[in-house]
Amino acid sequence: QKEVEQNSGPLSVPEGAIASLNCTYSDRGSQSFFWYRQYSGKSPELIMSIYSNGDKEDGRFTAQLNKASQYVSLLIRDSQPSDSATYLCAVNKVNFGNEKLTFGTGTRLTIIP
Amino acid sequence: EPEVTQTPSHQVTQMGQEVILRCVPISNHLYFYWYRQILGQKVEFLVSFYNNEISEKSEIFDDQFSVERPDGSNFTLKIRSTKLEDSAMYFCASRLYRGNEAFFGQGTRLTVV
Repeated sequence: QKEVEQNSGPLSVPEGAIASLNCTYSDRGSQSFFWYRQYSGKSPELIMSIYSNGDKEDGRFTAQLNKASQYVSLLIRDSQPSDSATYLCAVNKVNFGNEKLTFGTGTRLTIIP
Repeated sequence: EPEVTQTPSHQVTQMGQEVILRCVPISNHLYFYWYRQILGQKVEFLVSFYNNEISEKSEIFDDQFSVERPDGSNFTLKIRSTKLEDSAMYFCASRLYRGNEAFFGQGTRLTVV
C-alpha cells in the first residue's frame, strides 16, 4: 500500500463549479496534513494545512480530514482557470521523533472555461 | 512576505562533477529539508536538518550527498560525483516548528549530461 495515495487524474471541472480532490494515507500516527499546488515546472506552494478532524475553510478552499478513515480532501469552490495545476497531498510522517513530509503523486486538475 | 530562496535556478553539469545547490531558508525557521522531484514523478524526501546536524536521511541520500549550514543563513546540498540519474528538480524547504507548515523554495533544476 502506498503511503499517500491520490488519483492522478486528470480531473476536468467546468469554471465556476466545485473541484473535489481526495487523498488517503496509510500511517495512522500521522498528525499533520497539507495540500500544495504545483504549476508545471514550479515548486510546491502551500495552500492548506489541517491538523484535526473536520473541515477547515480558507477563502474558496476547504480541507477536510477524517483520521478514522485516514482520508483528507480538498474542495475548491467557484473554480477558476488559474486553479488548473497539480494538487499534492502531503502527510507529516514521524519516525523516532524525526519528521518529514511524504507526498502523493498529485492530482492534475484542469478547469475548463 | 518571507520566502525560501534557492540558487541557481538551473545548473547543467557533466557526469562525475561536483555540484553545490544553495538555499536561504526563512530566517527564523529551525528545520530544514531537501527534497527532489524527477520529471513526472512525485516529490521525494532526501534529508532533514536541525540544530546543525542531520535528523534523518532517505535511502537516496547516499555517501555522494552532503548538507551543510556553514554560516547560519545558507543551507547547501552537495553532490560529490553526479550521475545521470541525479537529474531532477531539487527543492529546499524550511519550517518553524516540527509538524507545522513547510515552505518550499522555487527549486534548482539540475541537469547531468
